[in-house]
Amino acid sequence: DTEVTQTPKHLVMGMTNKKSLKCEQHMGHRAMYWYKQKAKKPPELMFVYSYEKLSINESVPSRFSPECPNSSLLNLHLHALQPEDSALYLCASTGGGYNEQFFGPGTRLTVL
Amino acid sequence: QKEVEQDPGPLSVPEGAIVSLNCTYSNSAFQYFMWYRQYSRKGPELLMYTYSSGNKEDGRFTAQVDKSSKYISLFIRDSQPSDSATYLCAMSEQTGANNLFFGTGTRLTVIP
Repeated sequence: DTEVTQTPKHLVMGMTNKKSLKCEQHMGHRAMYWYKQKAKKPPELMFVYSYEKLSINESVPSRFSPECPNSSLLNLHLHALQPEDSALYLCASTGGGYNEQFFGPGTRLTVL
Repeated sequence: QKEVEQDPGPLSVPEGAIVSLNCTYSNSAFQYFMWYRQYSRKGPELLMYTYSSGNKEDGRFTAQVDKSSKYISLFIRDSQPSDSATYLCAMSEQTGANNLFFGTGTRLTVIP
């Protein structure tokens, strides 16, 4: 199984809502990532978890809150988002001594 | 100056053409080089992964890395309409959980 899955595929939320994005991989990878991608731009790193510990936080606003409940799961909790946060949110994972990051299909988020 | 430069295109070629996609970079510490293909509104899909300088071939795709010139290329032979996508180069300094530096992506259209 070389797949990273993400749910939901699409999410529309108001600025006062609280929602969560979910990412799952069963490749035994020990590093997982959240990226944000705006249209016609490359992915922009938000968070990195290594062995279930947050290792990189790229100065992301606190309205985004990551969580890694176990080595296969990664969540991104969203609260009080702004319309400019609308984007494709991508999860990725990498494992062992290798550097290839495998991406999920993304969650397309729209903030109204 | 960005760490990774990539011509955004767009690039249009007839079916069957050889396509050359390129990235340049400034950080001589980059050792791991990747090419991703991203279809519209989907997550990036890893196409090629190379370490240090040299060539790597996989079917119709060939990746080249020239560290002395800080230049990487992806060649697509016998291009097909299904190759129409955005191609992102990415690179990093080390293995494990760390940041990937992406190019801006080149949008390719293969015309039947």
